[in-house]
Amino acid sequence: NAGVTQTPKFQVLKTGQSMTLQCAQDMNHNSMYWYRQDPGMGLRLIYYSASEGTTDKGEVPNGYNVSRLNKREFSLRLESAAPSQTSVYFCASSGTGEVSAPLHFGNGTRLTVT
Amino acid sequence: RKEVEQDPGPFNVPEGATVAFNCTYSNSASQSFFWYRQDCRKEPKLLMSVYSSGNEDGRFTAQLNRASQYISLLIRDSKLSDSATYLCVVNPWGQKVTFGIGTKLQVIP
Repeated sequence: NAGVTQTPKFQVLKTGQSMTLQCAQDMNHNSMYWYRQDPGMGLRLIYYSASEGTTDKGEVPNGYNVSRLNKREFSLRLESAAPSQTSVYFCASSGTGEVSAPLHFGNGTRLTVT
Repeated sequence: RKEVEQDPGPFNVPEGATVAFNCTYSNSASQSFFWYRQDCRKEPKLLMSVYSSGNEDGRFTAQLNRASQYISLLIRDSKLSDSATYLCVVNPWGQKVTFGIGTKLQVIP
């Protein structure tokens, strides 16, 4: 059981380049999330999707777009990367409708923008 | 006021010691609570859920105080392997999950 799979694990971009971070879960979860984690800042929510077909902005959505392709997949796109987007990105999923549903995280993508 | 607040530490404790972390939350509608553990440069992993009546899992005890809006994590007989960052997570029903900044624990031989 793979759980939550993120690709790539590492990426270096130049300012202005674009890329898409991929995330897939095989736990039949309704909700999926994208977080970024910076030193001293903790996990900050970028976007989330409560169910297939819906997406909502989180705390720090500027500079990002998302697509909930189907129930399994939730991608994060950086259209024009900036050095401020250097961070570790985590995708997570949880079962909606369950009050006590915890989040399950992918291994993370370490992105550096030069 | 932040939605979820934690003392970032670090808490440096000797092996075998008992250590406790608190986490306060601002949304009184919060329904579910968790403690996660995060090792350096790794993804957060669920340590335990926090139930209203309090719950224990081996050396770990979690408690919830709704009146004062805080949750706590107690670690007894600390091991070197307990060194990590402990994240408090609050999940208000129907709203997005909120993480605390995390409390760093370093267990010293």
